[in-house]
Amino acid sequence: ETGVTQSPTHLIKTRGQQVTLRCSSQSGHNTVSWYQQALGQGPQFIFQYYREEENGRGNFPPRFSGLQFPNYSSELNVNALELDDSALYLCASSPGPIAGSYNEQFFGPGTRLTVL
Amino acid sequence: GEDVEQSLFLSVREGDSSVINCTYTDSSSTYLYWYKQEPGAGLQLLTYIFSNMDMKQDQRLTVLLNKKDKHLSLRIADTQTGDSAIYFCAGRGGGGADGLTFGKGTHLIIQP
Repeated sequence: ETGVTQSPTHLIKTRGQQVTLRCSSQSGHNTVSWYQQALGQGPQFIFQYYREEENGRGNFPPRFSGLQFPNYSSELNVNALELDDSALYLCASSPGPIAGSYNEQFFGPGTRLTVL
Repeated sequence: GEDVEQSLFLSVREGDSSVINCTYTDSSSTYLYWYKQEPGAGLQLLTYIFSNMDMKQDQRLTVLLNKKDKHLSLRIADTQTGDSAIYFCAGRGGGGADGLTFGKGTHLIIQP
C-alpha cells in the first residue's frame, strides 16, 4: 500500500510568481486536505477536496486554489506569491470526509516552499 | 472557531514519564488527536480520543480528556530518545469539513 506522496520536495520562487504543488492520496482514499505550516507553528487548514469538489475551506484568500482529479490526486495552486507564503505545505488523505465520524488523515512528507 | 493552546517546550529525563498538555476552546470538537512530527518529516498520528471518552491507553501512550475544563493530555511512559520530536494537539469540530485545528506544538527534549 503506497502512502501519501507529495512533489516537489523543495521549491524556491520569487514574490509575485505562481506555484503548483502536487499530492497523491493513499490507495482507497477519496478525500484530500491541504495544510500550511509556517516555521515554528502548527499546521493551518487551507481546504479539503472530496470527489473533485471543494468541501470546506480555512481562512485563506482566494489566491490559494486547488483541484482534485478523478484518481483523487490533488493540486494546490498559489498565485501572486508573497513572502509570508514561505512554509511547509502538507497534504493529508483520508477515506472520507464524513463529519462526526472518525476518518484518520494520513499526512505526506510535505513540500517546503521558499518565497524570495 | 477552534483555538488550541500548548506549552512550547518540555524537558524530561530518559526513562521518566512525559506529560504534554493542551487546552482547546471548541466544546463541539468530536475528536481530539495527538500527532508527532520529527525534524524534516510530515505528521504521524499517535492516537486520538472521541469526545465521549475520558481516557484512552495505547501501549506507552495514555490520553486523558477533561471535557469540563477543555483539557487534553498525552502521557508517554518510559520516555526514550526516539520520542524526541514536536507533539501537536489537534481538534476537529462539528462543522462540515474535516479540517483539523492544531496547536503550535510542544518540543519534547530528552535528557540522558
